[in-house]
Amino acid sequence: KNQVEQSPQSLIILEGKNCTLQCNYTVSPFSNLRWYKQDTGRGPVSLTIMTFSENTKSNGRYTATLDADTKQSSLHITASQLSDSASYICVVHDTGKLIFGQGTTLQVKP
Amino acid sequence: GAGVSQSPSNKVTEKGKDVELRCDPISGHTALYWYRQSLGQGLEFLIYFQGNSAPDKSGLPSDRFSAERTGGSVSTLTIQRTQQEDSAVYLCASSPRTSGEQFFGPGTRLTVL
Repeated sequence: KNQVEQSPQSLIILEGKNCTLQCNYTVSPFSNLRWYKQDTGRGPVSLTIMTFSENTKSNGRYTATLDADTKQSSLHITASQLSDSASYICVVHDTGKLIFGQGTTLQVKP
Repeated sequence: GAGVSQSPSNKVTEKGKDVELRCDPISGHTALYWYRQSLGQGLEFLIYFQGNSAPDKSGLPSDRFSAERTGGSVSTLTIQRTQQEDSAVYLCASSPRTSGEQFFGPGTRLTVL
């Protein structure tokens, strides 16, 4: 069973709309939880890193939340742009190595 | 500054051949990771180097896979007797420390015919 589950698997939204991506994990304990953006044909790029004690962290139009009690995280994208079209990967850091979710593929249409 | 670089960017090989993939991490980064991303799949951890410590090889899928990191810098991932299921994008990442942010290279797309 995958220790990091993301939903939805894919999502299509119109430019300018907001969206929220979900990540549930069972990894315990963990050092931190990260959200990465991966453009097609490129390596992942870090958006946010949150430790156990952090509840929310923003990076421009991206806001990540973390509920360590329920082991859930979300990534909220505000006022989406065409360049937001990518895969968004939730990653939990487990003592030295990262455990990756399957990713959510977001497509922003004009 | 320069990021993580990988070479080649694309590699096409025949089944049964050996291949070597190279990763140049960010200068000064002590941690180096190799991952594999198959079509439509998530990232799969392969191997992790941290300084002079013994590498964590727990993610290598078979003994056909091996990796070295010479002088604490450049790393080479070797796949012997390649199989079609080895076709994937191989990503390398480096980090200034074990739990630090990882910076990814662009990947090497390996196609085994």
